[in-house]
Amino acid sequence: GAGVSQSPSNKVTEKGKDVELRCDPISGHTALYWYRQSLGQGLEFLIYFQGNSAPDKSGLPSDRFSAERTGGSVSTLTIQRTQQEDSAVYLCASSLVRTGVETQYFGPGTRLLVL
Amino acid sequence: AQSVTQLGSHVSVSEGALVLLRCNYSSSVPPYLFWYVQYPNQGLQLLLKYTSAATLVKGINGFEAEFKKSETSFHLTKPSAHMSDAAEYFCAVSDQPGNTGKLIFGQGTTLQVKP
Repeated sequence: GAGVSQSPSNKVTEKGKDVELRCDPISGHTALYWYRQSLGQGLEFLIYFQGNSAPDKSGLPSDRFSAERTGGSVSTLTIQRTQQEDSAVYLCASSLVRTGVETQYFGPGTRLLVL
Repeated sequence: AQSVTQLGSHVSVSEGALVLLRCNYSSSVPPYLFWYVQYPNQGLQLLLKYTSAATLVKGINGFEAEFKKSETSFHLTKPSAHMSDAAEYFCAVSDQPGNTGKLIFGQGTTLQVKP
């Protein structure tokens, strides 16, 4: 079946503008994660959604970052007033929660460049 | 808190040679451990995972990893490197059980395969 998809694949924006990044998880997956991959920081967890539970936002680097997940499926990560240090690849992953260990399936990422 | 250390940010081997990528973890509970591979401009793909069953885990593309509790290690190996193995490899630990399952990644190791 279809994997995790993300859009856009690339985004160039000017400092101070807002951006929205979209993630379509694998159908039926109840857990959704956002990670950020940057040269200086490696791969970092940002936020986690599981069903109707309150999201785990512990990885969001500042209050300029927010995310929502509508209808338990598609998620949007929003970055307000972008800064140059926000330039990174934003990866989304989804998993089917079971008893035991979940495998997270990753999308191809959105490459964000803030000028 | 869990953490992962990958020794060697860059490993170079000749085609046909043994591949050894090192990963050490820190965890206060029995860990769940993963190896992911990332090809250029792509998302992460799961190679294998350890979930407290067999200590020797076999994955895709001929890779395997051995969980050694006494050494807190989960090194990735492949007997004979192929040119197509050139990629970046990430070791990760999950904060399960009982938590969100978010992945904590090492800094990554870039594998170069020389002809």
